[in-house]
Amino acid sequence: EAGVAQSPRYKIIEKRQSVAFWCNPISGHATLYWYQQILGQGPKLLIQFQNNGVVDDSQLPKDRFSAERLKGVDSTLKIQPAKLEDSAVYLCASSSRGQAGNTIYFGEGSWLTVV
Amino acid sequence: GEDVEQSLFLSVREGDSSVINCTYTDSSSTYLYWYKQEPGAGLQLLTYIFSNMDMKQDQRLTVLLNKKDKHLSLRIADTQTGDSAIYFCAERSGGYQKVTFGTGTKLQVIP
Repeated sequence: EAGVAQSPRYKIIEKRQSVAFWCNPISGHATLYWYQQILGQGPKLLIQFQNNGVVDDSQLPKDRFSAERLKGVDSTLKIQPAKLEDSAVYLCASSSRGQAGNTIYFGEGSWLTVV
Repeated sequence: GEDVEQSLFLSVREGDSSVINCTYTDSSSTYLYWYKQEPGAGLQLLTYIFSNMDMKQDQRLTVLLNKKDKHLSLRIADTQTGDSAIYFCAERSGGYQKVTFGTGTKLQVIP
């Protein structure tokens, strides 16, 4: 079974520029998550989709971050304009209630450095 | 709200047992998880426990859950140098089953 795919793996941008990350979840997983992990911290949930609807975006900085999940499959996370404090790993994950433990499976992450 | 806390660092000698602890606040948790993260890598699921269980064993891993005290622990028997990593506990709770992660415990295994 293919895992969660993310791209790009690494991105360096200047502050005030924009960046977009792409995620393809595990096939059949209805729930998709974007987490932000700052160095030395645990992952923080930015947004959670159930199919193509948002169920939790309470910690998403909506003035600069946006995310969509068209057709309930792939998702993109965009940051515009980026700030220095957005330097982090952006982790996409997916889960299915039908799987044991309703477990979240993570991608390898997209590493963002804002300079 | 959800809050998950862990101690930051643990050092053990190779061959000893490691015990990593976690406390959480949401009493409506359904599942609790342990993930492992090696440098530069994503999060790898180690094990999970359903909230109506108090213990789960999986080879070298033993998970203990004290629901009354909202305390979760992960015991790694015969710890190896390959176990050196950051370990995160996480809880799933709430109407939309949000998963909240702890701050992570860095395990250092001394040869």
